Amino acid sequence: GEDVEQSLFLSVREGDSSVINCTYTDSSSTYLYWYKQEPGAGLQLLTYIFSNMDMKQDQRLTVLLNKKDKHLSLRIADTQTGDSAIYFCAERDNQGGKLIFGQGTELSVKP
Amino acid sequence: DSGVTQTPKHLITATGQRVTLRCSPRSGDLSVYWYQQSLDQGLQFLIQYYNGEERAKGNILERFSAQQFPDLHSELNLSSLELGDSALYFCASSALAGGQGLIAADTQYFGPGTRLTVL
Repeated sequence: GEDVEQSLFLSVREGDSSVINCTYTDSSSTYLYWYKQEPGAGLQLLTYIFSNMDMKQDQRLTVLLNKKDKHLSLRIADTQTGDSAIYFCAERDNQGGKLIFGQGTELSVKP
Repeated sequence: DSGVTQTPKHLITATGQRVTLRCSPRSGDLSVYWYQQSLDQGLQFLIQYYNGEERAKGNILERFSAQQFPDLHSELNLSSLELGDSALYFCASSALAGGQGLIAADTQYFGPGTRLTVL
């Protein structure tokens, strides 16, 4: 069945790069997404990638997709304390469009 | 601000009660999705409506039901509440039906959520 896995915690220093990893199982997924959730808030869409792309860059964010290994990563350059949040990767079910989420990675940025 | 609104923001009620959560999608979006976020289950898809019709069902309990009205707002009804129903309930909206596969990203935008506490 469909499953999305993420590591639960990541701690970095301010100014460093953060890399959050995700693996998924559904090889037919066409779109993969990254969402950010700050404490007490909803999910904010950060970026998405189409499955025929290897990489997508959007300002400080770089998404890498290895379709063969079903591995997705989100790199945040020059990480700031304001980036501290939980980051969710999600794959889209192409039958009905529902999102299947990973458990979320809690990013802690230390000054 | 995603453009998706949810009310109420917080809801505290007792076991056995019934509550209604409301969601207004972004202007022009036809799909509404409901998700539940809990500590033990994570983010789980409950149900999707597209232009007033139920489109997909996920791990939604029989005690829960939803509908989408002609003005496209949606309500999630939770009845015979149990302690384990305490969670954050999110709705999301997207422009299309979501099953277009290659055609469009059909991105889902999430509301701020309703935090339900069942005592």
